[in-house]
Amino acid sequence: RKEVEQDPGPFNVPEGATVAFNCTYSNSASQSFFWYRQDCRKEPKLLMSVYSSGNEDGRFTAQLNRASQYISLLIRDSKLSDSATYLCVVNHSNDYKLSFGAGTTVTVRA
Amino acid sequence: DVKVTQSSRYLVKRTGEKVFLECVQDMDHENMFWYRQDPGLGLRLIYFSYDVKMKEKGDIPEGYSVSREKKERFSLILESASTNQTSMYLCATSQGALGTEAFFGQGTRLTVV
Repeated sequence: RKEVEQDPGPFNVPEGATVAFNCTYSNSASQSFFWYRQDCRKEPKLLMSVYSSGNEDGRFTAQLNRASQYISLLIRDSKLSDSATYLCVVNHSNDYKLSFGAGTTVTVRA
Repeated sequence: DVKVTQSSRYLVKRTGEKVFLECVQDMDHENMFWYRQDPGLGLRLIYFSYDVKMKEKGDIPEGYSVSREKKERFSLILESASTNQTSMYLCATSQGALGTEAFFGQGTRLTVV
């Protein structure tokens, strides 16, 4: 079983729509959680960290459910510029390594 | 801004060649990582280093080695390139232990023919 699993999508949504997707992780000892964004042919960049209480950054909301071992990302009022692949990233409690999901592709259309 | 620079954007090498991929960072970060990214598989960790001259195997180290002689430079070596090593290679850095942001280089697309 992969450490981090994501629905690959693609999620095709119109501008202004809300889109949400999840990621599950297998290691219950995982401590830190992130969403990274990767544009086509570019390197991944941090979008936001995910905190236990859930957190928002503008139109983006991230949630963590430790009991069910998943994190989610919700994008409100989608913009064309939100088109990208979103990578779920998990860090375990006792090492420096990050485990990446394969990514969820979102395409926002005009 | 953190800058992570990989020596090449695109490389084409022949099967059996020895290949060096270089990564340099300018932010004095302790940790450096090499990943490969393949469609449907995401990023997989090859090797990482949390200090000069230290290295640790990641999830897929076979066929690769690394060198970290200076803090700012982390090299990935393919001892004898094979076609299944055709991939996008990404270098990353971070500071400290868990819970910190990783910064990536622009990637090297390696094709082995």
